Amino acid sequence: QKEVEQNSGPLSVPEGAIASLNCTYSDRGSQSFFWYRQYSGKSPELIMFIYSNGDKEDGRFTAQLNKASQYVSLLIRDSQPSDSATYLCAVLANDYKLSFGAGTTVTVRA
Amino acid sequence: DGGITQSPKYLFRKEGQNVTLSCEQNLNHDAMYWYRQDPGQGLRLIYYSQIVNDFQKGDIAEGYSVSREKKESFPLTVTSAQKNPTAFYLCASAGGLASYGYTFGSGTRLTVV
Repeated sequence: QKEVEQNSGPLSVPEGAIASLNCTYSDRGSQSFFWYRQYSGKSPELIMFIYSNGDKEDGRFTAQLNKASQYVSLLIRDSQPSDSATYLCAVLANDYKLSFGAGTTVTVRA
Repeated sequence: DGGITQSPKYLFRKEGQNVTLSCEQNLNHDAMYWYRQDPGQGLRLIYYSQIVNDFQKGDIAEGYSVSREKKESFPLTVTSAQKNPTAFYLCASAGGLASYGYTFGSGTRLTVV
């Protein structure tokens, strides 16, 4: 079983719509969760992190965490063409290393 | 400005050659990591170091070597034993037990010619 699993996509959404990305993890003791955005040919950049159950909002991005279900999600509201990228979910394990999902590719169509 | 710098951006390796990828950070981070990314794939951990003069193998260490003689520097050598080295290599660093995640360098794209 993979440690961090994401919907492989690709996910295609119209401009202005909400993009919803999902991630599940296997280590119940994980405490910190991260979303990275990676444009084609570029390195990942951190866009959100969340530690507590519930929602965390930052601009058009909302991260949601449910530790009981071992589930973390990212919502992108009012999607823009510039949001077209691959989104990586990452989970911090007890050995202080991040485990990454394979990523979900999002395409925002005009 | 604080950051993490990888060089070169592009690197070409002939069969049988060893090549070294540079990674330098001025973020005062204790931990540094090397990942490999293949087209359409996720990140795979090669080596990591959580303190100077100490490093650990990741999931795909065979054919690679590293050193950590200085806090700021964590070079990766791709040896001739690595049979399929063509990939995008990413270096990352983290402070505070990685509780704020990793900062990534801009990457090195290695191609075998």
